Amino acid sequence: QKEVEQDPGPLSVPEGAIVSLNCTYSNSAFQYFMWYRQYSRKGPELLMYTYSSGNKEDGRFTAQVDKSSKYISLFIRDSQPSDSATYLCAMSGRSSASKIIFGSGTRLSIRP
Amino acid sequence: EPEVTQTPSHQVTQMGQEVILRCVPISNHLYFYWYRQILGQKVEFLVSFYNNEISEKSEIFDDQFSVERPDGSNFTLKIRSTKLEDSAMYFCASSHLAGVLNEQFFGPGTRLTVL
Repeated sequence: QKEVEQDPGPLSVPEGAIVSLNCTYSNSAFQYFMWYRQYSRKGPELLMYTYSSGNKEDGRFTAQVDKSSKYISLFIRDSQPSDSATYLCAMSGRSSASKIIFGSGTRLSIRP
Repeated sequence: EPEVTQTPSHQVTQMGQEVILRCVPISNHLYFYWYRQILGQKVEFLVSFYNNEISEKSEIFDDQFSVERPDGSNFTLKIRSTKLEDSAMYFCASSHLAGVLNEQFFGPGTRLTVL
């Protein structure tokens, strides 16, 4: 079983739609759960993070973590064409200088 | 806003040659990382570096790879004898704190092409 699994898409939705992106994971040691956004030929950029289980909201973005199911989600409300990018789920443990384990990324396209 | 920078943006080399990829982390950061992303695949951890020594390395980071912080600002990744399968985007990252969320800031990457 892969450590982190993410549907690569591509996912195409009309502007204004609610987008739901998801990942599953297998390693119970993960404590931090993150979503990165990556534009073509650029480095990953941290969007949101959550520690342990729960929800976190930041503007149009909501991150959810369900540790019992080993399932994390990112919701984007009122999606905009500028949200078009690849979204990477990512996880890490709690130790110093923890490495980040990334999902394969979901390519998202918002149609005007 | 401070950012991680990487040079060169694109490096083309012949198989068997040595390459050095350079990174300038954010100035007050203490932890440094290299990741790579083969085209169409996920971003993979290579190595982390703190206090002038390797903290952790992945299976990918074999004896052909080395890292160094030669001065107070640069952080380098050396590949001694490149292979075709080393072709990838290489991302440098840095972070400031440990124990709390270790937010890693990524550079724009160096595209390495091995011919």
